[in-house]
Amino acid sequence: GEDVEQSLFLSVREGDSSVINCTYTDSSSTYLYWYKQEPGAGLQLLTYIFSNMDMKQDQRLTVLLNKKDKHLSLRIADTQTGDSAIYFCAETSLSGGSYIPTFGRGTSLIVHP
Amino acid sequence: EAQVTQNPRYLITVTGKKLTVTCSQNMNHEYMSWYRQDPGLGLRQIYYSMNVEVTDKGDVPEGYKVSRKEKRNFPLILESPSPNQTSLYFCASRGTGTSGYTFGSGTRLTVV
Repeated sequence: GEDVEQSLFLSVREGDSSVINCTYTDSSSTYLYWYKQEPGAGLQLLTYIFSNMDMKQDQRLTVLLNKKDKHLSLRIADTQTGDSAIYFCAETSLSGGSYIPTFGRGTSLIVHP
Repeated sequence: EAQVTQNPRYLITVTGKKLTVTCSQNMNHEYMSWYRQDPGLGLRQIYYSMNVEVTDKGDVPEGYKVSRKEKRNFPLILESPSPNQTSLYFCASRGTGTSGYTFGSGTRLTVV
């Protein structure tokens, strides 16, 4: 099956930028998503990018897509302690008439003072 | 408020005692799905449904059943729970187009 890979942990200092990386294998991916999971909560959609885009910026969040290398990244500027969470990368491709998502295992972002 | 509602939030049960986790969405979404989340394994899809009366197996369907009799509801049924089904379960729904998933708050199930 298709695969989405992420590193498991990232530790940054408050105020620095965080970059969370993701690689995927499905070349027919159409949409790629970033979700955030805070402790004790469900996943919350942060942002998404369509596969024909290279970059998308939304306030402190910047998503970069390198379609040739199948590499997606999420940059969080001026990282705050409230950004500590697990971040999931997900890709979707059309299968059987519907968009089936595949999630990575999640990257735990730890922000320390 | 647009949301996915799961119940219960926490459940402790004994091996073999049938249980149902309910899931309801108020966004008229066609697509609904159940995931389990385990440490180090991320999210694994159990079952999904593309519309009423249309369900299909995900990556880890063994030991689970689902039904989709109405568009808004997608219950997860464990006919004979076992300890290896102890996990955190999430229901999610999505509409068409670019919309990503909306997730429920999760159900933490412990089978003893």
